[in-house]
Amino acid sequence: NAGVTQTPKFQVLKTGQSMTLQCAQDMNHEYMSWYRQDPGMGLRLIHYSVGAGITDQGEVPNGYNVSRSTTEDFPLRLLSAAPSQTSVYFCASGGGRPYNEQFFGPGTRLTVL
Amino acid sequence: DAKTTQPTSMDCAEGRAANLPCNHSTISGNEYVYWYRQIHSQGPQYIIHGLKNNETNEMASLIITEDRKSSTLILPHATLRDTAVYYCIVRVAGTASKLTFGTGTRLQVTL
Repeated sequence: NAGVTQTPKFQVLKTGQSMTLQCAQDMNHEYMSWYRQDPGMGLRLIHYSVGAGITDQGEVPNGYNVSRSTTEDFPLRLLSAAPSQTSVYFCASGGGRPYNEQFFGPGTRLTVL
Repeated sequence: DAKTTQPTSMDCAEGRAANLPCNHSTISGNEYVYWYRQIHSQGPQYIIHGLKNNETNEMASLIITEDRKSSTLILPHATLRDTAVYYCIVRVAGTASKLTFGTGTRLQVTL
């Protein structure tokens, strides 16, 4: 199993550009989520999904969209990038009851100029 | 979910036990205590979780006080590779896993 994979590992955008961060898991987990981590801070939840076709907002959802068309994939879209979105983005997945263990991807380091 | 309080940083000599405390005085009866760690800038890694009984796995032990208002994560023989930020998280079981990360404890293991 590859676990949770994220692409790209690094990305530089200009203000106003859009892009999609990819996240995939091969563990058949129902639950997937996106976090961002700013320097010196803990992770903050952006969006999450409890299954295909179901998504919900987390703590900091503004400026981001998600969709969950399959169990495996959970892409995160930045609609119009802003410098405040410069951060490290982590995707996570969890399965079983009651979601005892979550697996995190290696992260995507995004810089918005 | 209940809020947790952890020391900002701790040091531990290699080979010694590392005891990381966490206060969660407002924990509810159906909330579990989880521990994750983040090594350098990698994604967080699950360590252990518990409800009210002490728990042990191949990585660590979790001691929860009888009133459940605090807990201690124990790394029995810390190594340099255990240097990381350790997060104590309290979460209601059976819900969508909204892990609320604080700033954690930065554990530095030294020779």
